[in-house]
Amino acid sequence: KNQVEQSPQSLIILEGKNCTLQCNYTVSPFSNLRWYKQDTGRGPVSLTIMTFSENTKSNGRYTATLDADTKQSSLHITASQLSDSASYICVVSPAYNQGGKLIFGQGTELSVKP
Amino acid sequence: DTEVTQTPKHLVMGMTNKKSLKCEQHMGHRAMYWYKQKAKKPPELMFVYSYEKLSINESVPSRFSPECPNSSLLNLHLHALQPEDSALYLCASSQTDRGMGGYTFGSGTRLTVV
Repeated sequence: KNQVEQSPQSLIILEGKNCTLQCNYTVSPFSNLRWYKQDTGRGPVSLTIMTFSENTKSNGRYTATLDADTKQSSLHITASQLSDSASYICVVSPAYNQGGKLIFGQGTELSVKP
Repeated sequence: DTEVTQTPKHLVMGMTNKKSLKCEQHMGHRAMYWYKQKAKKPPELMFVYSYEKLSINESVPSRFSPECPNSSLLNLHLHALQPEDSALYLCASSQTDRGMGGYTFGSGTRLTVV
């Protein structure tokens, strides 16, 4: 069964600190893996997208890594800011995708405290 | 223009009302989607339109009726909803329905059924 699991479920860090969020998936084969940031009550905003052949992708203070052999991805946030408080969702698109269906993780709830 | 625009942002409706949610994109995307999202849960796919034709209906109750008037617009008509239908409704679009490339979400409509 295609699944995406994220850890931790929630995380509290102090402003200015770094953190790493984890994503393990069983989707195989897959065509790409995305990380989204979702503020409460708002739509998800794309942070990174990586194909199966890419190992890392950066977007400002956000860096995503992908290990297709172990089926793991991580999202590293550097020098966190209060505005980074949000849910971070790992999303995998299966290869030979019919209908644009995406497999969503449950999200990691990040809270950045002053 | 790299946005998906949803209106209204908030909607309160009674169980006997008829209302519509609207979604618009001008990125030339040929696949458009409706999702339903409950608090602290990932989005759940409801409908997929590909080249203006309904390609996927995830067994959604008939009180939700989608419509795609043209390649840029997507509507969701609501009638006789139940309180449990209260949720964040997200529209998304992608270049095609193969799950590759850009996949952009709107900021959502917060629906409350009273």
